Amino acid sequence: QSVVTQPPSASGTPGQRVTISCSGSSSNIGSNRVYWYQQFPGTAPRLLIHWTDQRASGVPARFSGSKSGTSASLAISELRSEDEADYYCAVWDDTLSGVVFGGGTKVTVL
Amino acid sequence: QVQLVESGGGAVQPGTSLRLSCASSGFIFENYGMHWVRQAPGKGLEWVALIYFDGSETYYADSVKGRFTISRDNSRDTLYLQMNSLRADDTAVYFCARVSAALRSTRPPDHWGQGSLVTVSS
Repeated sequence: QSVVTQPPSASGTPGQRVTISCSGSSSNIGSNRVYWYQQFPGTAPRLLIHWTDQRASGVPARFSGSKSGTSASLAISELRSEDEADYYCAVWDDTLSGVVFGGGTKVTVL
Repeated sequence: QVQLVESGGGAVQPGTSLRLSCASSGFIFENYGMHWVRQAPGKGLEWVALIYFDGSETYYADSVKGRFTISRDNSRDTLYLQMNSLRADDTAVYFCARVSAALRSTRPPDHWGQGSLVTVSS
C-alpha cells in the first residue's frame, strides 16, 4: 500500500480529457511540490510536471498539473493514442524522509 | 544534454552483494543530489535512496536501510549503490536519477538513466 494513492487505471477516447488523481497527506502532498512522470513499457520514466504545475521542457500544453490540500491531479486534454502509458506521481515525504511514488495509473486510449 | 548510464547489474544468489554504478555527463555532477529508484518486474516505481550533492547526507527507504549504501565520487562524476544481503524481492530494474534542483535539495528526480536489471534468485 503506497503512502500516496492513484487509481490503477483511467481511460478515454481520442480528444477527450482524462484526469488522474494522487491522494496523500499533510506530510507529503500537503507540504511539498508534486511531480508527475510518464512511462512506456521497457523505458525509463520521463518527467512531465515538476513543482506541482510546471511542465517540463518539451512537454505539450495538453498536460497540466494542479494541487488542492493533500491531493494533486494530472490532466491530459485532447487525448491522443500516443498518451497511452503509465503515469506516476511523486513527492517528498517529511515524515518518512524520502520520496514516495504513487502506485501508478495506466491510461488507455479507447 | 544530461546523460546517466547505469552498469553493474546481473543475476546473483540471495545473500550476496552487488555494486551498481551510474556514470554521468552533460551537467555539473558535483552540484546535484542523486537518487536510486527501482522497479520490480510488472510493478510500480519504488524510491530507494538519495545522496546530497556533496555526500554529506543520505536517505534510504526502510526496505533497504542497513543493507544498501549510496555513495558518490564527484571526481569521477559517478554514483554508486552498494547492495548487500540481497533478497529475492530486491529483483528489479534500478534507475539512477538526478535531483531536480541543485545543491541541498530533496526534490524528486528530473533526468533518469535507462536502468540496470538486478535479478536475485537461487
